[in-house]
Amino acid sequence: DTGVSQDPRHKITKRGQNVTFRCDPISEHNRLYWYRQTLGQGPEFLTYFQNEAQLEKSRLLSDRFSAERPKGSFSTLEIQRTEQGDSAMYLCASSLLKRGALEDTQYFGPGTRLTVL
Amino acid sequence: GNSVTQMEGPVTLSEEAFLTINCTYTATGYPSLFWYVQYPGEGLQLLLKATKADDKGSNKGFEATYRKETTSFHLEKGSVQVSDSAVYFCALSPLGFQKLVFGTGTRLLVSP
Repeated sequence: DTGVSQDPRHKITKRGQNVTFRCDPISEHNRLYWYRQTLGQGPEFLTYFQNEAQLEKSRLLSDRFSAERPKGSFSTLEIQRTEQGDSAMYLCASSLLKRGALEDTQYFGPGTRLTVL
Repeated sequence: GNSVTQMEGPVTLSEEAFLTINCTYTATGYPSLFWYVQYPGEGLQLLLKATKADDKGSNKGFEATYRKETTSFHLEKGSVQVSDSAVYFCALSPLGFQKLVFGTGTRLLVSP
């Protein structure tokens, strides 16, 4: 099994620019999560999908943020009009929630480090 | 609300010392509990988990027991190695699935 992959690994952009990150989950995983991690902190939940449906969004996810998972496989996270406060590591995780199961386990990708100048 | 509190680091130990990293949680219902580890320059890796009270998760010599009465999930290892140096995150999943709520992480430094 290949793990969760994310692209790019690093992104440097100027304030006001738009950026898009991609996440490829583990094959056949039906759930995909996005988190944000700032220096010295634990990851904070942003949003998640079950297949192609976006089921929950955190209040951290402002209007400038949008996530999609159009075919229930890979996902993209776009940030419009970036601000310096958006600088962080953006983590993607995937899991397989089986029918009738009460728990799943999330497997994380290496993250995309965003620096906004 | 749901939250996780971890002991502040860094925790500095000599090789072969005993390790405890404290983790307590606040949650509605009966969450699942996790320890993740982040090695330098790498992504988060699941270390161990427990899904119900009194369960013990274990992996690579690390152990943690789900204690509902004290709302704790402390991480222990009997004899640490230099290669265990990393940041350890305690996390909960409120309903066993859906989003994870993380603590702030505890950095472990093990010297030879």
